[in-house]
Amino acid sequence: QKEVEQNSGPLSVPEGAIASLNCTYSDRGSQSFFWYRQYSGKSPELIMFIYSNGDKEDGRFTAQLNKASQYVSLLIRDSQPSDSATYLCAVDNQGGKLIFGQGTELSVKP
Amino acid sequence: EAQVTQNPRYLITVTGKKLTVTCSQNMNHEYMSWYRQDPGLGLRQIYYSMNVEVTDKGDVPEGYKVSRKEKRNFPLILESPSPNQTSLYFCASSYRLDGEQYFGPGTRLTVT
Repeated sequence: QKEVEQNSGPLSVPEGAIASLNCTYSDRGSQSFFWYRQYSGKSPELIMFIYSNGDKEDGRFTAQLNKASQYVSLLIRDSQPSDSATYLCAVDNQGGKLIFGQGTELSVKP
Repeated sequence: EAQVTQNPRYLITVTGKKLTVTCSQNMNHEYMSWYRQDPGLGLRQIYYSMNVEVTDKGDVPEGYKVSRKEKRNFPLILESPSPNQTSLYFCASSYRLDGEQYFGPGTRLTVT
């Protein structure tokens, strides 16, 4: 089992819809969870981080964490074509390092 | 402006010709890392550094070297590049090794 797993996609949603991106992790001791957005050929940029169970909202983005089930998700409301990118989930592990998932490609169709 | 810089941004080289990719950060971060990104494999850590003169292997260190002689700089060295090192490389810095990573713009390396 990979330490951090994401569906590679592509996930296609129509403009204005909610995009739901999921990530599961294997280390029950993980404490820090990050979502990065990466446009093609560009570097990853941080969108959200979450440390506690529950939801964390920032504008159109909501991160949801469920430590018991070992998953973290990212919801994008009112999706825009400019949201089309690859979304990377990153989770800390017991080795004190950040482990990245392989990323989910999101395509928002006008 | 807080940033991580990398040079060169693009590099095409031949097998066996030594190369260095430079990385510099101006945020006074203790931690710096090198990642490579390949399709379907995500970001994989090559090496990281906790401070000046302190470095350690990441998940895919074979064929790479690093040094940290100054806090702001963390060059990646390929002594004898091979085609399987063709990849997109990112340097990153952070306050904590498992904290938010600030990424450089990336270096696309092609080894023929």
